[in-house]
Amino acid sequence: DQQVKQNSPSLSVQEGRISILNCDYTNSMFDYFLWYKKYPAEGPTFLISISSIKDKNEDGRFTVFLNKSAKHLSLHIVPSQPGDSAVYFCAASPNSGYALNFGKGTSLLVTP
Amino acid sequence: EPEVTQTPSHQVTQMGQEVILRCVPISNHLYFYWYRQILGQKVEFLVSFYNNEISEKSEIFDDQFSVERPDGSNFTLKIRSTKLEDSAMYFCASRRSGGTGELFFGEGSRLTVL
Repeated sequence: DQQVKQNSPSLSVQEGRISILNCDYTNSMFDYFLWYKKYPAEGPTFLISISSIKDKNEDGRFTVFLNKSAKHLSLHIVPSQPGDSAVYFCAASPNSGYALNFGKGTSLLVTP
Repeated sequence: EPEVTQTPSHQVTQMGQEVILRCVPISNHLYFYWYRQILGQKVEFLVSFYNNEISEKSEIFDDQFSVERPDGSNFTLKIRSTKLEDSAMYFCASRRSGGTGELFFGEGSRLTVL
């Protein structure tokens, strides 16, 4: 039961350009969304989150946009850097205290 | 910076054997979780633990699995009789009370069942 979907398994972007990672969800009860970044042989690292009362949250080069009516969120990285190359997971839960449902991840490669 | 630590980093076991994976969550965190990721698949929730009891568990977390917080620092996942399909990377995570919900993950324990 794939409640959180990341339909692009991989994305390649040039250094300095914008990276846009997309995520869709099916459960209308989800109201808390997070993005995690994962390097090989490491655990996921929290990147940024957004609750359903907002449609945008920004932290430095990272911005998450939420479109509740479309059940869609996206992560924008501007400007992209080679160190951003990693797998990015979208996650969602009914509220901030419940277990997270993860997408399958999108592997981002930022080329010099 | 405080972090979640997991041991062992890699364990190889025979099918049917018992395995215990250990985790030391961040010290002031009160919510603890186990997730797993089978190679090539998504990160899957197994169980959450709060106030010395399971607060939520997934369908994966059947009678073969158990969790325990034997002392004030460790959080363990036990698999009683391992199956081939239990081979995965197991991640422990913790969250502080009243936090905004982000989980802090350990680096994972890779379990290989032969």
